[in-house]
Amino acid sequence: AQTVTQSQPEMSVQEAETVTLSCTYDTSESDYYLFWYKQPPSRQMILVIRQEAYKQQNATENRFSVNFQKAAKSFSLKISDSQLGDAAMYFCAYRGSGGSNYKLTFGKGTLLTVNP
Amino acid sequence: DAGVIQSPRHEVTEMGQEVTLRCKPISGHNSLFWYRQTMMRGLELLIYFNNNVPIDDSGMPEDRFSAKMPNASFSTLKIQPSEPRDSAVYFCASSLDSRETQYFGPGTRLLVL
Repeated sequence: AQTVTQSQPEMSVQEAETVTLSCTYDTSESDYYLFWYKQPPSRQMILVIRQEAYKQQNATENRFSVNFQKAAKSFSLKISDSQLGDAAMYFCAYRGSGGSNYKLTFGKGTLLTVNP
Repeated sequence: DAGVIQSPRHEVTEMGQEVTLRCKPISGHNSLFWYRQTMMRGLELLIYFNNNVPIDDSGMPEDRFSAKMPNASFSTLKIQPSEPRDSAVYFCASSLDSRETQYFGPGTRLLVL
């Protein structure tokens, strides 16, 4: 079974600085999808960014970018120019392309604090 | 476009009572998912519907839990009878199809006393 590991339970960053959140996963599949979701105090789960494993280019969405290392099974999220509104729990998630290609497997999350 | 809509947003009930959570997926999405989030177990998939048909209910914890999707725009998750260990945040999510990105509703925070 696939597993997703977020080794940093908590991280903090100064406003306007850059922070990187780590995520590793375990899979035997060659084609899959990776996601970062943000959960602010409101509890809403918000999609931040998505990466297809077959694409070599790292996904970018404004201040959010990923470093996808397929061989190392690593998928880190970089937040540039951090803002107070970025404070949230961040979840890394994996979805395969096989029989259970609908199933999202989530990591335990990283709580990000942004200091003014 | 409206996102996934869930109701109620908060529910407080007493042990033994029936609880019904409701979800309206994004229009045009044919895949619907119910998740449960707890501190101990994180986010877990409870059940997955495709074109209103339950495909995978292996995550439903026990017979007290049931889910239905009578049409493409409405789903319910029912707990009967409820127990304190059912206290959690329940999310509904939908996607265009099973291989597309899942979009989550705001969740229902359930507290069973």
